[in-house]
Amino acid sequence: GDSVTQMEGPVTLSEEAFLTINCTYTATGYPSLFWYVQYPGEGLQLLLKATKADDKGSNKGFEATYRKETTSFHLEKGSVQVSDSAVYFCALSDEGSAGNMLTFGGGTRLMVKP
Amino acid sequence: GAVVSQHPSRVICKSGTSVKIECRSLDFQATTMFWYRQFPKQSLMLMATSNEGSKATYEQGVEKDKFLINHASLTLSTLTVTSAHPEDSSFYICSAKTGGLGEQYFGPGTRLTVT
Repeated sequence: GDSVTQMEGPVTLSEEAFLTINCTYTATGYPSLFWYVQYPGEGLQLLLKATKADDKGSNKGFEATYRKETTSFHLEKGSVQVSDSAVYFCALSDEGSAGNMLTFGGGTRLMVKP
Repeated sequence: GAVVSQHPSRVICKSGTSVKIECRSLDFQATTMFWYRQFPKQSLMLMATSNEGSKATYEQGVEKDKFLINHASLTLSTLTVTSAHPEDSSFYICSAKTGGLGEQYFGPGTRLTVT
């Protein structure tokens, strides 16, 4: 079945540091890939997505490129802020799955210190 | 953008009672809604998928008689936790999507505490 693996946290960085959160996946079809962010006590918000190989999703300074050859979708940001502190989830949606259900990775907690 | 609301945001109930959580799509019609459960510091686990007007499809290991899901309209789905026990305490999150390859939009979550 489909699965998503992402690096375990917490990831602790100083403000303005470079961020990378690794995400790899296994899927039977041609999935769409997503990064969601969850702030404390809240639900998930879509951060960015990519629907086919070599697509780059970007939003709020975050980027991730859909790499089919390495089955990866690593999240990057050049300069993090304290307000980026949250839990980040990588997810995939296999177009063949019923209702396009999402399969989530385990989440990575990011803590940015001033 | 599309907005999904949940009510209540927090609920505390006594063991043995039932609790109903509502999930509403405020500005779009949701043909499919999903219910997730999230334990502290863990990922989301899909509990069930519901399509408007039909019975929910439960994931393996989820008791359908304990977690009753009703998707009576294109804008409302409810999750009822029946005979709640302390181990049911969790963060419950719903999401809603339109038909086809529509994106899932997540609600803010409901924190359930069973004492």
